[in-house]
Amino acid sequence: DAGITQSPRYKITETGRQVTLMCHQTWSHSYMFWYRQDLGHGLRLIYYSAAADITDKGEVPDGYVVSRSKTENFPLTLESATRSQTSVYFCASYGTGEGMGLFFGSGTQLSVL
Amino acid sequence: GQQLNQSPQSMFIQEGEDVSMNCTSSSIFNTWLWYKQEPGEGPVLLIALYKAGELTSNGRLTAQFGITRKDSFLNISASIPSDVGIYFCAGQLRGSSNTGKLIFGQGTTLQVKP
Repeated sequence: DAGITQSPRYKITETGRQVTLMCHQTWSHSYMFWYRQDLGHGLRLIYYSAAADITDKGEVPDGYVVSRSKTENFPLTLESATRSQTSVYFCASYGTGEGMGLFFGSGTQLSVL
Repeated sequence: GQQLNQSPQSMFIQEGEDVSMNCTSSSIFNTWLWYKQEPGEGPVLLIALYKAGELTSNGRLTAQFGITRKDSFLNISASIPSDVGIYFCAGQLRGSSNTGKLIFGQGTTLQVKP
């Protein structure tokens, strides 16, 4: 199916564990993003990527690592999860030209115990 | 950092009423986008605006790119229960390259009473 998909939808982990959230898009969009959404803070940008092998920090990058070896995939890794990283995480990709806009996945709800 | 002021924060209206919400900033934008987010889902793009003064409709939704380029408005006519959700504005600053790196408002939570 065309679009942007995230996995898993729900994840429970423990403090200190490494967790990787997956994101895959089928549009071949160059730009991809990771946001976290928390009550009272809205959407905050964690990392973004302009193309394969090009990534940059957003507003709240600490504690997160990203990679982009292929255009269609943009995984987000929490190297040592903390309780403050309990949140809903959204991946998005940006299309230019006709149909321009930022398109979001359905999100991953992460709980760190 | 840059901020978008979105208002109102929340609205509780009767089915059939019209709804208005807006986003303002002290900065100039070259693109405005409006999103709707339903519980448990990601934001879905409703309307995109690219020119000052532009007025665009999507069904019962109408959005406008303010003439000053510092604001945008979203109107929903004849609201129905399925309009419930959080509405976000987002903008791309003038002078920033077309990267999709947007600034988001804090959202307007809409509840509709049948």
